[in-house]
Amino acid sequence: KAGVTQTPRYLIKTRGQQVTLSCSPISGHRSVSWYQQTPGQGLQFLFEYFSETQRNKGNFPGRFSGRQFSNSRSEMNVSTLELGDSALYLCASSVSDIYEQYFGPGTRLTVT
Amino acid sequence: DAKTTQPPSMDCAEGRAANLPCNHSTISGNEYVYWYRQIHSQGPQYIIHGLKNNETNEMASLIITEDRKSSTLILPHATLRDTAVYYCIVRVVRAGNMLTFGGGTRLMVKP
Repeated sequence: KAGVTQTPRYLIKTRGQQVTLSCSPISGHRSVSWYQQTPGQGLQFLFEYFSETQRNKGNFPGRFSGRQFSNSRSEMNVSTLELGDSALYLCASSVSDIYEQYFGPGTRLTVT
Repeated sequence: DAKTTQPPSMDCAEGRAANLPCNHSTISGNEYVYWYRQIHSQGPQYIIHGLKNNETNEMASLIITEDRKSSTLILPHATLRDTAVYYCIVRVVRAGNMLTFGGGTRLMVKP
């Protein structure tokens, strides 16, 4: 079974731009969660989608948004990029919230 | 979710058992203990989870104390590929998939 895939793997953007990251979950998984990892703050939860609905949201500004499609694929968008948004963005999928999550390899975003 | 406390780093000799402790003294009755690990620059990998009974799978064993205030992850025969940051997380199931990661334990397996 194919794992969680994330595209692109690496991205360089300029401050003020916006970016969209994509996540394809494991087949049959309906829950997709997003996390941000930085050296200073560690791994932090951004939001979770289940059956196209946002179910949980972390403590991030409104510039961070996401959505989930009917095939469970998910995208997250960051608008008006700031230097501090440079991070590894991880996506995780799960069958439901009583099962473990499987993480993708991440997208490394650099904002200059 | 309950807060967890882990030692920031540990060393283990290759081939020996690695015992990684986790304190979760404020755990609630409906919170499970999960362990994940992250090998450098990769996405975290699920290892094992449990509620109150000891659990074992092909990767590791999880020992939870009777009062559930602490647990130990055991890698029975550590290899160099087990060098990673290990995260102990407690969470309520059926409340959405939100994992709260702490600092974890950086395990260094040495030859």
